[in-house]
Amino acid sequence: QEKVQQSPESLIVPEGAMVSLNCSFSDSASQSIWWYQQHPGKGPKALISIFSNGNKKEGRLTVYLNRASLHVSLHIKDSQPSDSAVYLCAVSNYGNEKITFGAGTKLTIKP
Amino acid sequence: NSKVIQTPRYLVKGQGQKAKMRCIPEKGHPVVFWYQQNKNNEFKFLINFQNQEVLQQIDMTEKRFSAECPSNSPCSLEIQSSEAGDSALYLCASSSNSDYTFGSGTRLLVI
Repeated sequence: QEKVQQSPESLIVPEGAMVSLNCSFSDSASQSIWWYQQHPGKGPKALISIFSNGNKKEGRLTVYLNRASLHVSLHIKDSQPSDSAVYLCAVSNYGNEKITFGAGTKLTIKP
Repeated sequence: NSKVIQTPRYLVKGQGQKAKMRCIPEKGHPVVFWYQQNKNNEFKFLINFQNQEVLQQIDMTEKRFSAECPSNSPCSLEIQSSEAGDSALYLCASSSNSDYTFGSGTRLLVI
């Protein structure tokens, strides 16, 4: 069974700082890795996904995937107070099978 | 605004009562998932459907939980006899080719 672990559990940084979130997964055959953002009382919102080894950049977000080390990271540049949320790493094996979530990192950006 | 519509937003039930929640998946997404998210942000996969047929479900779902996704009607998840431990956020998601969209969830409180 796929296991997804995230670190740190929580993170507090000043506005404008670079944020780095980590995620490790157990199955090297995992096809898709997703990062979601979840605000209190809301459903998860997909931010960025990666399928191939390497990195992918979208706006202020950059994700790095290393399949050999079973590790993926999310970096948020120029963090804003509105980025404060729980960030969830999720892994799926096939397009329509269930996705497995990590327990999340609670991010707080202080103005 | 989410393209997956969940109702009701909040649900309060007494122990032993039935609790039913509904989900309208994103148009064109053939696969529907139900997840339970507890207060520690942990996700538990419950069941998923593809075109009205069950793909996977966990044991918990087989006993007190029932779910269906009829054609031309909202999908639904029903707990036959609610227990205090069922209090959680129930999230519906739909997907097409690894593109997952989550609803805002139904917050169930069993008192």
